[in-house]
Amino acid sequence: DQQVKQNSPSLSVQEGRISILNCDYTNSMFDYFLWYKKYPAEGPTFLISISSIKDKNEDGRFTVFLNKSAKHLSLHIVPSQPGDSAVYFCAASANNNDMRFGAGTRLTVKP
Amino acid sequence: GAGVSQSPRYKVAKRGQDVALRCDPISGHVSLFWYQQALGQGPEFLTYFQNEAQLDKSGLPSDRFFAERPEGSVSTLKIQRTQQEDSAVYLCASSLGTGLFSPLHFGNGTRLTVT
Repeated sequence: DQQVKQNSPSLSVQEGRISILNCDYTNSMFDYFLWYKKYPAEGPTFLISISSIKDKNEDGRFTVFLNKSAKHLSLHIVPSQPGDSAVYFCAASANNNDMRFGAGTRLTVKP
Repeated sequence: GAGVSQSPRYKVAKRGQDVALRCDPISGHVSLFWYQQALGQGPEFLTYFQNEAQLDKSGLPSDRFFAERPEGSVSTLKIQRTQQEDSAVYLCASSLGTGLFSPLHFGNGTRLTVT
């Protein structure tokens, strides 16, 4: 039962342009959403989060948008940098209990 | 160290062997989670502790999997009679606790290969 879905396994973007990573979820009880970044041979690293009472959260080059009616969230990275190349996981939880992850999107930022 | 520490980093086991994977969470973190990550997939939830209490073990794939956190700090994930399908990266994560929107902080994982 895949409650969090990332339908794009990969994304390639030119340096300086915007990267948009998408995520859909099915469980309407989710109230906390996060994006994690993962480099090879390392654990996922927390990037940015948003609670269900908001529709946007911004941190530097990273912005997460939440559309509750569509059960959709997205991560915008602008401007994209080569160091942003990694696998990005979307995650969601309900009542701060177990967190469910998407399958990840591999972002490649080309110089 | 300041982060979540997992050991061993790599483990090769012959089919049928028992293995034990260790996790040292961030000091003071109440919640501890174990995840299993297969190649090309996202982390799949296994089990969750709040202090020493195992509040959810619904993700453990079989009764060969057992986790404990007896003193509310270090946790061990044990897999008995390992099978090839157990090969994966096992990730441990900790967070501050319940009642807060607190992100999980992950260790670097233990890569288990069952031959």
